[in-house]
Amino acid sequence: GESVGLHLPTLSVQEGDNSIINCAYSNSASDYFIWYKQESGKGPQFIIDIRSNMDKRQGQRVTVLLNKTVKHLSLQIAATQPGDSAVYFCAENSLGDFNKFYFGSGTKLNVKP
Amino acid sequence: DGGITQSPKYLFRKEGQNVTLSCEQNLNHDAMYWYRQDPGQGLRLIYYSQIVNDFQKGDIAEGYSVSREKKESFPLTVTSAQKNPTAFYLCASSISEGGVDTQYFGPGTRLTVL
Repeated sequence: GESVGLHLPTLSVQEGDNSIINCAYSNSASDYFIWYKQESGKGPQFIIDIRSNMDKRQGQRVTVLLNKTVKHLSLQIAATQPGDSAVYFCAENSLGDFNKFYFGSGTKLNVKP
Repeated sequence: DGGITQSPKYLFRKEGQNVTLSCEQNLNHDAMYWYRQDPGQGLRLIYYSQIVNDFQKGDIAEGYSVSREKKESFPLTVTSAQKNPTAFYLCASSISEGGVDTQYFGPGTRLTVL
């Protein structure tokens, strides 16, 4: 497989448990955030996004929480499944600066059956 | 990956050769991007283009070149001037909607220098 995922923090969870993946962002001017999922050897897949005027957004089995005070973003995955195993990373953008996204290095999620 | 294709999936290059990576999208997106991904690092922007016949350097443009002759296509050439080209290359496209500019990625090309 691809070498994406080497040297990354790893979270191991049991199938059926909830997972929480964290991301600390650096730019206090960032006001738009995206979570991506990347499986080995594939391109990143959009999961969910959130703007800074919200502190929580829910999707199907996923929830993103934003804490602007401490510049922290989290992705919660409910009832984690083996198919959720991948690298997850966040991206931040300032809406006044189109095209400029900054990407975290990611967290590898291992789901044990 | 839907709507964004990259080819080839794997590419091998000898030192001193230029190679071109293909990226095509049928999403009618205005903007396109090239990123490089290395193990343990976040994506780094090589070049981006907001409209046809216009493109801008990203953070690591040295040793790379691009063109944007058609809205659908944004090929990346890795030249012999790029000293460490072995990496996973990702193309993305985006369209501005509701004041945000969400990027969607292709499946990637793995380039290895022999």
